[in-house]
Amino acid sequence: EAQVTQNPRYLITVTGKKLTVTCSQNMNHEYMSWYRQDPGLGLRQIYYSMNVEVTDKGDVPEGYKVSRKEKRNFPLILESPSPNQTSLYFCASSKRDRKFFGPGTRLTVL
Amino acid sequence: QQPVQSPQAVILREGEDAVINCSSSKALYSVHWYRQKHGEAPVFLMILLKGGEQKGHDKISASFNEKKQQSSLYLTASQLSYSGTYFCGTEFSDNYGQNFVFGPGTRLSVLP
Repeated sequence: EAQVTQNPRYLITVTGKKLTVTCSQNMNHEYMSWYRQDPGLGLRQIYYSMNVEVTDKGDVPEGYKVSRKEKRNFPLILESPSPNQTSLYFCASSKRDRKFFGPGTRLTVL
Repeated sequence: QQPVQSPQAVILREGEDAVINCSSSKALYSVHWYRQKHGEAPVFLMILLKGGEQKGHDKISASFNEKKQQSSLYLTASQLSYSGTYFCGTEFSDNYGQNFVFGPGTRLSVLP
């Protein structure tokens, strides 16, 4: 089954404790991206990757890092999380047209 | 650069029609439409490319007016399953991946 998986689905952490949210797709898509979703603001792009070892900033990259060492994986790293990073996060992969979204990760930073 | 969507929210009775608009201050290359049900991930509905084409499937269709830099999503004879938040996503060039921006969403509620 074609899918994008994310882990964990829910995470509660404390300020400053490094965390990684994993994202994996099985559709051999070159393009992958991370979004955060906040009420009234829609989906805002954090980072995207056009292919292995090619990443670039989206609209709200501050406080986040990514890496793309393999085509299927695109982890999101928060080196020192802060409360303003509490949000719902989605990973997406795509070819030229439609984006396939993962199920989401709800992150709470205390 | 975020596109503007209108209305912000709409409530319908089953069988009624709705139109959701998406407009941009920048020239558009393409417009995507997605629907997100509560607690779920967004799901792709359709993409419209520069050229003014209209697309649709079942009772959901969309148009793209590149001169006006806007797109409209048409939902006819709405069903309960149409409830959710609708997002437009805009691309400003054919340099794929860059400058793809989602709108803030339109919440649609269909009542029996």
